[in-house]
Parts: sequence; structure tokens; C-alpha cells
Amino acid sequence: SQTIHQWPATLVQPVGSPLSLECTVEGTSNPNLYWYRQAAGRGLQLLFYSVGIGQISSEVPQNLSASRPQDRQFILSSKKLLLSDSGFYLCAWSRDPNEKLFFGSGTQLSVL
Amino acid sequence: GENVEQHPSTLSVQEGDSAVIKCTYSDSASNYFPWYKQELGKGPQLIIDIRSNVGEKKDQRIAVTLNKTAKHFSLHITETQPEDSAVYFCAATPNTGNQFYFGTGTSLTVIP
Repeated sequence: SQTIHQWPATLVQPVGSPLSLECTVEGTSNPNLYWYRQAAGRGLQLLFYSVGIGQISSEVPQNLSASRPQDRQFILSSKKLLLSDSGFYLCAWSRDPNEKLFFGSGTQLSVL
Repeated sequence: GENVEQHPSTLSVQEGDSAVIKCTYSDSASNYFPWYKQELGKGPQLIIDIRSNVGEKKDQRIAVTLNKTAKHFSLHITETQPEDSAVYFCAATPNTGNQFYFGTGTSLTVIP
């Protein structure tokens, strides 16, 4: 069966510090991978998606970047965090854009 | 692109009553409609989904209906229980592109 791992679960970072969130998927190959952000009490905002190694599409201009160095690994990064980067970050995967989408457990990021 | 609207934003029901959440979509090319349940501090979990070639799907106390002509779909929860309390998201995805388009969420509270 397929599983998705996302870490860390919580993170407190000072403004201006770098960020690296990692997500890995097991039990499948060539998944579509997604990063979403969810502000407190709000909906899901798509940040990046990837259909293959090295292929990243950005949906919202921002202070963040994403990379996919391996088939089942997706990384969300920032060189310098802003207060507005605080939120709940979710990684997700699907076999196909038109197939079931499965989410990780999320990372609660607080930028202080 | 696709636009998904979800109503109501909050819903309170007595335990044992039914709950209905409605979503509309704009892109007639959308053909896959999942529903997610998100508990506090956790990632959204897929609870039921429907494709455009089906009008209704049921799984125990949960059902989803789809009206392609009117471009709306609904989640029905019968015999609600306190553990059904959560935020529910609908989504739509067209058979082109790589995105899932989410509604803004419904916070459901089941009062014991």
C-alpha cells in the first residue's frame, strides 16, 4: 500500500531564517506531488505541483520554492522566511491529476 | 480555470440528524469530485468521491450526489455522530490540467 510521510510535524522559525520541509511517498512510482498551504481557519491554497523529477509548476508567486530531486521526494524551501509564511503546510500525492489525492499529516509552521 | 464554491461555511446539527453540504463548480470539463474530512491539526482525509458518469454514491452513512447539468454536488451525512465533527472540503478536477480545485470548507459541529 502507498503511504506519504511529511516532516517535521511542527516548526517554529525566526523571521529571515531558511526553511526546508520534506515529503516522501512510498509504494508507488512517478506520483504527481503537491504542496498546499492552509492559513488558520481557511481553505487549501496550492503552492506547487510536480509531475516528474525536476518538473515544478508554481501556482502562486511567493517567498517559497520547491524541488523534486527524486521520484518520490518533494521538498519545500525558503531562503528567508517572512511572518506571512506561517501556516499549515500539506504535501499530497496522486497517481494522476484525475485520480484520488492523498494528503500527508501536515507541518504547522510558525514564523516569529 | 475551475471555481468551486461551498456552502454553508459552518453547520451545527444535533446528534442523529442529517447534515448536507453543497458545492458548485464552473468548469463543465470537471469529471472527478472528491470530499475530504479534516480534523484539527491533521491532514485532510478522503472520505468519498464520485465521477461524472455516476449520479450518486453511498458508503454507509455518507453519500454524495452529483448533478452535472446544474454543476453541483452534495455531501450527505445521515445519523450524525460527535466524531463527524470536523471541517469538510469538496473538490473538483477537470480531465485536463494537473490541479484539484477545492471549496473553502464547511465546519461541521455535531451537538451530543
